[in-house]
Formats: sequence, C-alpha cells, structure tokens
Amino acid sequence: DAGVIQSPRHEVTEMGQEVTLRCKPISGHDYLFWYRQTMMRGLELLIYFNNNVPIDDSGMPEDRFSAKMPNASFSTLKIQPSEPRDSAVYFCASSQVRGLRQFFGPGTRLTVL
Amino acid sequence: DQQVKQNSPSLSVQEGRISILNCDYTNSMFDYFLWYKKYPAEGPTFLISISSIKDKNEDGRFTVFLNKSAKHLSLHIVPSQPGDSAVYFCAASEEGGGSQGNLIFGKGTKLSVKP
Repeated sequence: DAGVIQSPRHEVTEMGQEVTLRCKPISGHDYLFWYRQTMMRGLELLIYFNNNVPIDDSGMPEDRFSAKMPNASFSTLKIQPSEPRDSAVYFCASSQVRGLRQFFGPGTRLTVL
Repeated sequence: DQQVKQNSPSLSVQEGRISILNCDYTNSMFDYFLWYKKYPAEGPTFLISISSIKDKNEDGRFTVFLNKSAKHLSLHIVPSQPGDSAVYFCAASEEGGGSQGNLIFGKGTKLSVKP
C-alpha cells in the first residue's frame, strides 16, 4: 500500500484565494482525520470522518474551512477565502480504529501571502 | 487547556547516550498512549505505543514507560543515534472510543543527537 497520499505537497497562494487540499487514505481504513500543525498550537485536529461521514468538525477554526469525503478513497479540505494566518502544514491521517494508531500523509505546506 | 503536555521543546544528546523524552497528561480517562516521530517535510510516523494495563513496552532501542499515578510517560532511546534526530510527539486516547476517543497530541520535543 502506498500509504496516505496528500496533494499538493506545497501550496503558495494569495490572501483571498480558494485553496483545496486533497487526501487519499489507506484502503480499508474507516476513519479519516485532518490536522493542522503550527508552531504555536502543535498538531490540532480539525475534523474527522467515519465511513465518509463527518463526525466531529469542532476543530474547524472558522466557516471559511470546509471538508468533504465523497467516497472512501478521497477527501478534500477547502479554505475559502484564505488568510495569511491559515499558513501551516496540513496533515491527513487514516486509521482502522479511531483512538488507536493513525497513519499520516506527508502533509501539505500552505503559505498564504 | 492542554491535556497532553511535552514541556521540553528541545533536547540535545550525544550519540551513544540515552535520550529521555517526557510527556504528562491530565485526563485520567486516557488509557492508550503513543509516540510518533517526525522528520522535516514528512508526516509523523508511529514509533511505539503502550496500553494502560502495562507500565513498560519495549521495541529494540525504544522503551516507553507509563506511570499512571503520576500521569506521566517517557520514551527512552538507547543508544541514541544521529538518525534519531527528529521531533517526537506524544499522543493519548481513550481506547474505548469515548468522548476523548481521538488522539490528543502534545506539541512535540525536538531531539538532536550529536555525533
């Protein structure tokens, strides 16, 4: 298995633009998680899905953030409009069981100018 | 309020010596703990875990110790190698998947192993 795949690896955009981050989880994993990593706050859980259904989005910082999982092999995290404070590394992770070992993708480094 | 705390942002150790990374937690319902290692420009990778029914788990050079009464766990790396230089994250969860069934991460400790 190729592991969790994320794209793009790097994204540089200007304030106000829409940003879409993509994730392909490991096949057979029922849980998918989106995290954001910053120096100040460390690894924060933004939202997680179980069997493609969003379960808890309480970590999503604002309405500018949205996430979808149209099928078991694909998820997106969208920021519209983007702001400089959204600059961070965004990780996608998947697992078979919610509270146990998660497998992380390589991350997307987002820079909003 | 941070439920999982790694109070040392960084640690520097000489090659061949022991590295000890520490982690404290506040939620007594946590019963499963993990350590992840992260290299620059990569995602965190699982290193070792421990369930609350144990107080020690060992995997090669890596040993995790759990002190439930103190709500403290530590990761020992012996002997330390330059390739161990990375950021180490501690994480905790309620394995039963209760209200804290997600992994809660500490902010990480950056380990530097000097040759």
